Amino acid sequence: DTAVSQTPKYLVTQMGNDKSIKCEQNLGHDTMYWYKQDSKKFLKIMFSYNNKELIINETVPNRFSPKSPDKAHLNLHINSLELGDSAVYFCASSQGWTGYTFGSGTRLTVV
Amino acid sequence: GIQVEQSPPDLILQEGANSTLRCNFSDSVNNLQWFHQNPWGQLINLFYIPSGTKQNGRLSATTVATERYSLLYISSSQTTDSGVYFCAVLSGAGSYQLTFGKGTKLSVIP
Repeated sequence: DTAVSQTPKYLVTQMGNDKSIKCEQNLGHDTMYWYKQDSKKFLKIMFSYNNKELIINETVPNRFSPKSPDKAHLNLHINSLELGDSAVYFCASSQGWTGYTFGSGTRLTVV
Repeated sequence: GIQVEQSPPDLILQEGANSTLRCNFSDSVNNLQWFHQNPWGQLINLFYIPSGTKQNGRLSATTVATERYSLLYISSSQTTDSGVYFCAVLSGAGSYQLTFGKGTKLSVIP
């Protein structure tokens, strides 16, 4: 069983579209995250979600919105996609400070 | 915010060689982790090491929190060790969000 699974693995879409990436973890962790990895491999936190508390990195445009239907899921919705949104998006989960586990990533390409 | 610097940015090794990767951070941290991103893009958690020394097979890590640095040692390197090694720290009270360094890209050649 995959501990942190995200779908789709690849996503190619046109500018202006709205898309979603799904993430599920079966580790029983209490916190989930979304990270963005740019073309230079730099990883940056976008959101963390813990017990209904959402912490947002202030540099994230409000076109990005996380949605958590329950503790095991944290989906990422992106509205009005732009070329600069092309990147690899990683979902992750942890139990407090420990057990950090990443999904396999979603490569988003906006054309 | 906290700054995380890794060195060297790139490293090429002959198979069987040893190497040391360094991570410096600008402020006290609650946690420090090392990750390996393999050539297929998967991020693997290597060590959770806020202080002290840990070993796992050919890999070991040491964090000296008072001097704000951590070292990752790779001994008898193999081609499967290739990829990018990231150091990441926890910053912000009550936050579990990791701040990553820019990574060290390791290439192990046969």
